[in-house]
Amino acid sequence: KNEVEQSPQNLTAQEGEFITINCSYSVGISALHWLQQHPGGGIVSLFMLSSGKKKHGRLIATINIQEKHSSLHITASHPRDSAVYICAGQNSGGSNYKLTFGKGTLLTVNP
Amino acid sequence: DTGVSQDPRHKITKRGQNVTFRCDPISEHNRLYWYRQTLGQGPEFLTYFQNEAQLEKSRLLSDRFSAERPKGSFSTLEIQRTEQGDSAMYLCASSRTLQGYEQYFGPGTRLTVT
Repeated sequence: KNEVEQSPQNLTAQEGEFITINCSYSVGISALHWLQQHPGGGIVSLFMLSSGKKKHGRLIATINIQEKHSSLHITASHPRDSAVYICAGQNSGGSNYKLTFGKGTLLTVNP
Repeated sequence: DTGVSQDPRHKITKRGQNVTFRCDPISEHNRLYWYRQTLGQGPEFLTYFQNEAQLEKSRLLSDRFSAERPKGSFSTLEIQRTEQGDSAMYLCASSRTLQGYEQYFGPGTRLTVT
């Protein structure tokens, strides 16, 4: 069983819509990463958070430690936001800090 | 560019051949991770180094796979006797121990085994 679960797997939106992607994770994860992957494979780190909320431009990430849940929000979505969004849990056991990834959410924003 | 780089970006090989990929991390980063991503899936951990020491290997890393980081800088991942199931995107990431362990990813090497 994957320790990090994302929903939805696919999301289609119209330009301007507010987007929410959800991520649930299991115990043993000390921080949560949100990553963006465009066609062609390159991964870009968007956020790393272990509590509260972070904002960067139109992107907002929140985490609820008690519920082991995180959300990524995109305000005023744009076609250039189309990508795969991946949440990844950072292992808290030992000292390796390796990431356990969700399967990703494919976001398509239509003009 | 001072980010993580990987070479080559794409590799097509015939089954049974050996392939080697290279990762150059951000220069002051002492940790280096290799991940593998198959189509439609999230990446999976393969192995990681702290400086030149390989500290953990996943069960996914069969005997045909070997990784090195000889001087604690760049790393290589070699796959011997490639199989079609090895076709995937191989991702490298690096981090710095004292900066929250945030990992910075390279562009990946896409391997196709025919």
